[in-house]
Amino acid sequence: DAKTTQPNSMESNEEEPVHLPCNHSTISGTDYIHWYRQLPSQGPEYVIHGLTSNVNNRMASLAIAEDRKSSTLILHRATLRDAAVYYCILRDEVATSGTYKYIFGTGTRLKVLA
Amino acid sequence: NAGVTQTPKFRILKIGQSMTLQCAQDMNHNYMYWYRQDPGMGLKLIYYSVGAGITDKGEVPNGYNVSRSTTEDFPLRLELAAPSQTSVYFCASSEIRVGGYNEQFFGPGTRLTVL
Repeated sequence: DAKTTQPNSMESNEEEPVHLPCNHSTISGTDYIHWYRQLPSQGPEYVIHGLTSNVNNRMASLAIAEDRKSSTLILHRATLRDAAVYYCILRDEVATSGTYKYIFGTGTRLKVLA
Repeated sequence: NAGVTQTPKFRILKIGQSMTLQCAQDMNHNYMYWYRQDPGMGLKLIYYSVGAGITDKGEVPNGYNVSRSTTEDFPLRLELAAPSQTSVYFCASSEIRVGGYNEQFFGPGTRLTVL
């Protein structure tokens, strides 16, 4: 299974940028890198995904290393509502059926300080 | 659209009892998933389905069964509840997209306690 490694927890001050790292040294050439977040007492929600190039959307930016063995989720201005567990996920191909499933790790718990 | 809905929100079971966790989605997604999340841990995949009539095991399928008779519904069955199945259960769905990217949409979860 494709694996990711993330720090257990991080802290940030409100209104400051946050860089959440993820290592995925076993990534294959066709694996997308996905980020989800889980707010307290809710199901996970999609944040962003990318393959090789850096990506931006209204929620965040994703910076992908040139060798694709690591990536960083960037929240440009953290707010209290961004306090959540952030998961970096690689897709795992199911060889027998050609389908895909996602393996969640334990994620990074982001604490935002007012 | 309601998205992904799950019932019940909470449930307490006695050891050995059985129950079905309901999951429905109104987005016409082909893929559906069941995960469990133990306290302080990430999500673990129990079962998934790529379409009506097709299901497959995930990481932790023991003690559970699923069926997928329609595109919309994907119930999860616990036959003989055990304390180890105390967890929060999340259902999710996604489309099949060219290129392999398929964002998953999650339900609000069912909190199950087995005593």
